Amino acid sequence: QSALTQPASVSGSPRQSITISCTGTSSDVGAYNYVSWYQQHPGKAPKLMIYDVTNRPSGVSNRFSGSKSGNTASLTISGLQAEDEAIYYCSSYTGTSTVLFGGGTKLTVL
Amino acid sequence: QVQLVESGGGVVQPGTSLRLSCTASGFTFSSYGLHWVRQAPGKGPEWVAVMSHDGSNKYYADSVKARFTISRDNSKSTLYLQMNSLRPEDTAVYYCAKEERVYYYSYAMDVWGQGTTVTVSS
Repeated sequence: QSALTQPASVSGSPRQSITISCTGTSSDVGAYNYVSWYQQHPGKAPKLMIYDVTNRPSGVSNRFSGSKSGNTASLTISGLQAEDEAIYYCSSYTGTSTVLFGGGTKLTVL
Repeated sequence: QVQLVESGGGVVQPGTSLRLSCTASGFTFSSYGLHWVRQAPGKGPEWVAVMSHDGSNKYYADSVKARFTISRDNSKSTLYLQMNSLRPEDTAVYYCAKEERVYYYSYAMDVWGQGTTVTVSS
């Protein structure tokens, strides 16, 4: 299976909002509400930011929100801060008891 | 605090084997499914395998099926990944990660270890 499709890069200024898309198929993103988003800083392990499409784990800022429409999920970060600069990955359950990750989106805070 | 610590990585030749371990603390180990995820240099994460909380079921990515085996010892709060017939493309940082949902799968990983590096090269 091919990785979920994410834009290679997005950028925004502090205090602005950005949205990162994650496109799959009707067999993964479109079929299940098991979409997650991870933040990864250089040299660190990924950190869970959103699960089940829209849920935030305890301790994650409410500036992070998730949504889904059809085969595309989205992560929105509002009120951008310098510390948000990282690579963001989406993932989805595929229906065959496996998980697929996206290729990653590098967020630059200008 | 909730913690996962991987070990067992190293430099090995193609065709050989390696066993990774992941020791957990700070949560009820036997109540959660656990995943292995790997990340090749400069690439995104690739899901490798998952085992249920009680070890009754396990699933693998096609890329490692029949070569890798996931297992766990709940009495030792430890997860394992036995890797056989290693290939250069298996070179990556290997992370163990805890399922977000107790007893069931949400396929979201809310706690990750620091990773252990596996390099397969002649």
